[in-house]
This record gives sequence, structure tokens and C-alpha cells, in this order.
Amino acid sequence: EVQLVQSGAEVKKPGESLKISCKGSGYTFTNHWIGWVRQMPGKGLEWMGVIYPGDSDTRYSPSFQGQVTISAGKSITTAYLQWRSLKASDTAMYYCVRGGIAALTGAFDFWGQGTLVTVSS
Amino acid sequence: SYVLTQPPSVSVAPGKTANIICGGNYIGSKIVHWYQQKPGQAPVLVVYDDTDRPSGIPERFAGSKTGSTATLTISRVEAGDEADYYCQVWDTSSDHWVFGGGTKLTVL
Repeated sequence: EVQLVQSGAEVKKPGESLKISCKGSGYTFTNHWIGWVRQMPGKGLEWMGVIYPGDSDTRYSPSFQGQVTISAGKSITTAYLQWRSLKASDTAMYYCVRGGIAALTGAFDFWGQGTLVTVSS
Repeated sequence: SYVLTQPPSVSVAPGKTANIICGGNYIGSKIVHWYQQKPGQAPVLVVYDDTDRPSGIPERFAGSKTGSTATLTISRVEAGDEADYYCQVWDTSSDHWVFGGGTKLTVL
């Protein structure tokens, strides 16, 4: 059974750093793109970026380029989303998603349960 | 940047058919995926590659597309179909994913 299990909710202050995780299981981790989607409170879905764990090829949405870092540890089948300096506007639910097998354009067929990040002074 | 436009809301009576539209330039030449998100839950893929359904998704959910719009049709609507629905495409000109703004389906 394919599963994406994300790390727990976080409460941080502005300016702090954060790294959240997403552990994949039940499939060959290195064969599928894995990505991140943001959902701000009461708002829609926003694609942030994806990584191909097989070769670490990473693509970012222009809206998030330079704001976050996406990485993956293929030996531990885990993807990460990292911020160096959080802002209040980063408060949102973050979902990891499994993308296509090799193909970048494949649908997001499995989603993690979400990690709620709250940034408040 | 590429924009996908969805109506904010659609209402339908139980047992009737709901059509949720997603518009975008030359969407007919792009591959469209659809997601369902119920309150407090993660989204779920309901249609991929324009018309295909993942295993476990009822046949009542169907995707279609013309040159300028993609449509998610939900037949024999049930109370449990009440959710937000999002369309998604890969924009080849910018090499990134785009989501529509979402449509809230209300079952009357």
C-alpha cells in the first residue's frame, strides 16, 4: 500500500527555520517525482515544487523559488521542505504528493495527510 | 503565467448531474487532472489524464475536454460528493504545474 506520512504540526516564530518531512513507502521511492503543495487557510491549492529522488532533479514554482528548499534522502525514502526564515504568511497546510513515474507531468496520485505550519510571534 | 478558471461554486440536488468547468487557453492541448477535497481532508485524485479514473473512484465521476474547457461531470450526485474540486494542468510553456482556483460543490 502506497503511503506518504508527513511530520507533525509545527508552531514557529517569524525568522525561525523549519524542515518538515514526508516519508514514502509501498512503492519504489526513486522512480516517482515527489512534490509539495501549499494550502493557506480557507484558500486553494498552490504547487510549490517537485523533486525526482532518483537523481535529485528539482523544479520550483516561480512563486516559491528562493523561498524554500526541497530535498530528498533516497536511502530513507523521505522528502523534505525547508525554510531558512519563516514569515507569518507561511502559515498554511503543506501537503506532500506523489507524482508521475519518471514523467514530470503525471498526476498527483497519492497525498500525505498534511503538515500544519503556524508562524506567529 | 498560465491561468485556470473555475466557477467558485456549483449547487445541485441529490440524484442530479453536476458539471464543474475548468477554463484555460488551449486547454484542449493540455492534460487535465481533477482532485476532490472534502472539509478537513487531504485532496484525492478523481480523474487523471483528462478522462481516466483511479481505482476506487466511482464511474459517476467522468472527465471530458473541448478546445477551451475541461469538465468534471458527477452523475447521480450524493450528499457525500459535497467538496471542493480542483483542476490541474502542466503548463509546458513555463514548465510548472497550475491549479484552478477550485469549485465548491454544494448538494442541496
